[in-house]
Amino acid sequence: AQTVTQSQPEMSVQEAETVTLSCTYDTSESDYYLFWYKQPPSRQMILVIRQEAYKQQNATENRFSVNFQKAAKSFSLKISDSQLGDAAMYFCAYVVGSQGNLIFGKGTKLSVKP
Amino acid sequence: DTGVSQNPRHKITKRGQNVTFRCDPISEHNRLYWYRQTLGQGPEFLTYFQNEAQLEKSRLLSDRFSAERPKGSFSTLEIQRTEQGDSAMYLCASSVTGTGSDEQYFGPGTRLTVT
Repeated sequence: AQTVTQSQPEMSVQEAETVTLSCTYDTSESDYYLFWYKQPPSRQMILVIRQEAYKQQNATENRFSVNFQKAAKSFSLKISDSQLGDAAMYFCAYVVGSQGNLIFGKGTKLSVKP
Repeated sequence: DTGVSQNPRHKITKRGQNVTFRCDPISEHNRLYWYRQTLGQGPEFLTYFQNEAQLEKSRLLSDRFSAERPKGSFSTLEIQRTEQGDSAMYLCASSVTGTGSDEQYFGPGTRLTVT
């Protein structure tokens, strides 16, 4: 079965600090893509960052970066210099090849303390 | 606003009634997806379209569910004989093509409550 596990239901970080959200996945496919999506309260889901499985270099988008460990099937998200606007549910997801449909984890609720 | 739109945003219905939701994807996006999200869970895939063709359906999509995308533009998701277990947020997303690396743009969702 294809699954995504986010072992941290909730996380908290102080404003301006760094936080890492964990994600592991399970797939037997070799061609896949990994994503982190953010879902703010009562707002629509938006893409934070994506990683192609065939790329060894970890993706970075401004304050957001990932630690992609392919052999361990691990894909963690690091948020640097946390801001109040980062408070949201964060979902780890992947898609296999050209199938297109995302497989999501249960999410991690991130709180940012001022 | 040129993002993905969904209507209605909220729907309350009685068990046994039929409901229909609409999704308008971003213009010229060929792929359209439907997901269902229940409280405390991540979205679960229901079905997707490539233009007007429905290419895949999840086993979650029982016979009471039907989706269409006439002319490859907007899509509708109908649930017949609703059950309390159908209460959830129904999310629509679209992407330019169907390649795995494509970003999926999500709509605000339709929250269904079955009483």
